[in-house]
Amino acid sequence: GAVVSQHPSRVICKSGTSVKIECRSLDFQATTMFWYRQFPKQSLMLMATSNEGSKATYEQGVEKDKFLINHASLTLSTLTVTSAHPEDSSFYICSAWTGYNSPLHFGNGTRLTVT
Amino acid sequence: AQSVAQPEDQVNVAEGNPLTVKCTYSVSGNPYLFWYVQYPNRGLQFLLKYITGDNLVKGSYGFEAEFNKSQTSFHLKKPSALVSDSALYFCAVRSHPYSGAGSYQLTFGKGTKLSVIP
Repeated sequence: GAVVSQHPSRVICKSGTSVKIECRSLDFQATTMFWYRQFPKQSLMLMATSNEGSKATYEQGVEKDKFLINHASLTLSTLTVTSAHPEDSSFYICSAWTGYNSPLHFGNGTRLTVT
Repeated sequence: AQSVAQPEDQVNVAEGNPLTVKCTYSVSGNPYLFWYVQYPNRGLQFLLKYITGDNLVKGSYGFEAEFNKSQTSFHLKKPSALVSDSALYFCAVRSHPYSGAGSYQLTFGKGTKLSVIP
């Protein structure tokens, strides 16, 4: 149980375009989802906390107008990278939990390459 | 602020030998501690957690970890390493919800690359 599905797994886009990444909890309801960014050979950086039915909470230094997060239902959160630039190329991972005492369950990540 | 330190960027161990991946933490109040494993171009997989109770926690794939409060450590161990254990390992911490302090968000260490040599 507690499966998180993330799509797409890999995307290549041109500079200036927008890319949407979907994160779904398949067998549980997730009122809270987390979006991380991972640079090569580095740890995960929390970008934002996505709460169903309300605005996301962004970490310091993360541009909320560039990284749009929508959590419209208890099983779906989306991250849209707007007007992507090559420096946005990275590995983006979503996660969710079933409760505070539970571990985070992670999607398989999305490798974004902006050319 | 809470933090996690994984002092080793890389650990090399021969197949069949015991392995240890080190982790120390800093958090206000009682800690919730986790270990995750990441294979290339994949998300993180949960291995084990410490919430309360026995200091020795057993997890997936034969891994275990020992919580040491006095040393604020939560080292990951396995008695006999397999080549398939080669991956990136992350330790993470968050504070107990009733400790009245700290963040419910998970803070990750920088990761330790484990290489098991055949």
